[in-house]
Amino acid sequence: GIQVEQSPPDLILQEGANSTLRCNFSDSVNNLQWFHQNPWGQLINLFYIPSGTKQNGRLSATTVATERYSLLYISSSQTTDSGVYFCAVVGGGFKTIFGAGTRLFVKA
Amino acid sequence: EAGVAQSPRYKIIEKRQSVAFWCNPISGHATLYWYQQILGQGPKLLIQFQNNGVVDDSQLPKDRFSAERLKGVDSTLKIQPAKLEDSAVYLCASRLTRGPNSYNEQFFGPGTRLTVL
Repeated sequence: GIQVEQSPPDLILQEGANSTLRCNFSDSVNNLQWFHQNPWGQLINLFYIPSGTKQNGRLSATTVATERYSLLYISSSQTTDSGVYFCAVVGGGFKTIFGAGTRLFVKA
Repeated sequence: EAGVAQSPRYKIIEKRQSVAFWCNPISGHATLYWYQQILGQGPKLLIQFQNNGVVDDSQLPKDRFSAERLKGVDSTLKIQPAKLEDSAVYLCASRLTRGPNSYNEQFFGPGTRLTVL
């Protein structure tokens, strides 16, 4: 099956800093989503982005499907950005595979 | 628009007992998923329904786990008997449709946190 690798596994930022999270996948995918899991465990949809670039406020994402990676950019980070960021892909068998996540802590 | 609903939110049981979780997807969503998320890991897909039919249950431990989606709406996931390693958060998600050209998102419920003692 498809392998999904996220990096870095852990990230500590000072409030106001920018960051880039990466998701690599081992095979072609039909779709890709980025989620933020907040401290209460709720998975919040950030982007549905099988290809191309999208922006939503301080967040943006780019997926280069031909090179099998996606990037999530967080600018001017805030303490409320803390949590775990997951990349999830769906391959040819329609099975959803999550990466292990990037754990982000933003210090005030 | 109401989101994915799950209940209960928390459950504590002893090993070898049985437990059931309930999920109500977003109205009109044909595809429903159950995931298991062990602490510190990403969610792992257990079973996927399209309407009331199972399309993937390859990672469901069928000797103890079962799931159904009668009438293609609500779904229940059952564990019988539970083991210590079943302690996890069980997440339900739904999606409008399943096909490869259906570029739409999965939406998740709040999850049920299960502790097996």
